[in-house]
Amino acid sequence: GEDVEQSLFLSVREGDSSVINCTYTDSSSTYLYWYKQEPGAGLQLLTYIFSNMDMKQDQRLTVLLNKKDKHLSLRIADTQTGDSAIYFCAAPGAGSYQLTFGKGTKLSVIP
Amino acid sequence: DTAVSQTPKYLVTQMGNDKSIKCEQNLGHDTMYWYKQDSKKFLKIMFSYNNKELIINETVPNRFSPKSPDKAHLNLHINSLELGDSAVYFCASSDRGGTEAFFGQGTRLTVV
Repeated sequence: GEDVEQSLFLSVREGDSSVINCTYTDSSSTYLYWYKQEPGAGLQLLTYIFSNMDMKQDQRLTVLLNKKDKHLSLRIADTQTGDSAIYFCAAPGAGSYQLTFGKGTKLSVIP
Repeated sequence: DTAVSQTPKYLVTQMGNDKSIKCEQNLGHDTMYWYKQDSKKFLKIMFSYNNKELIINETVPNRFSPKSPDKAHLNLHINSLELGDSAVYFCASSDRGGTEAFFGQGTRLTVV
């Protein structure tokens, strides 16, 4: 099955860029996702990228996909304190409706 | 309108009890899921249910059972609750293409 890995912690200063990295194992994944979980809240779909793209930009968010290395990253420009949250990378396995989640990266923004 | 809603939001109960968590989606999706998020925030799939096909993660104890009265609902029943069942449980739904999943707000279960 699919295996998704991401680092557990990231700390950045307000105004800097944050880069959260993720690796996955199933090369047939069609879409790859980033979810955000704020303290005490449910998961929120932040953005996603189709596997035939290598970059997607959405305001302050940039998703980069290196399909050869099975590496996905999420860059947040001009990081704000409101961006403090846990960010989950997720990928569906081949022929599966299910999403496999990474363990989540806790982003802490220092004022 | 909330797309995926779970009730209750918080549930505190004693060991040995039987409890249910309800989930409803109004998106017309045909696949629903239950995920467990443990104290370290790790998310694990427990069940997926699609057109009466149930896929179970083999690590889930058989004290847990999903019940789907109709396509818009997937409830989670837990028998003989144990301390280790304390976690946040998330319900989610997606369409058959599975391009994205929508999550409920989660139910924080505390077993004392």
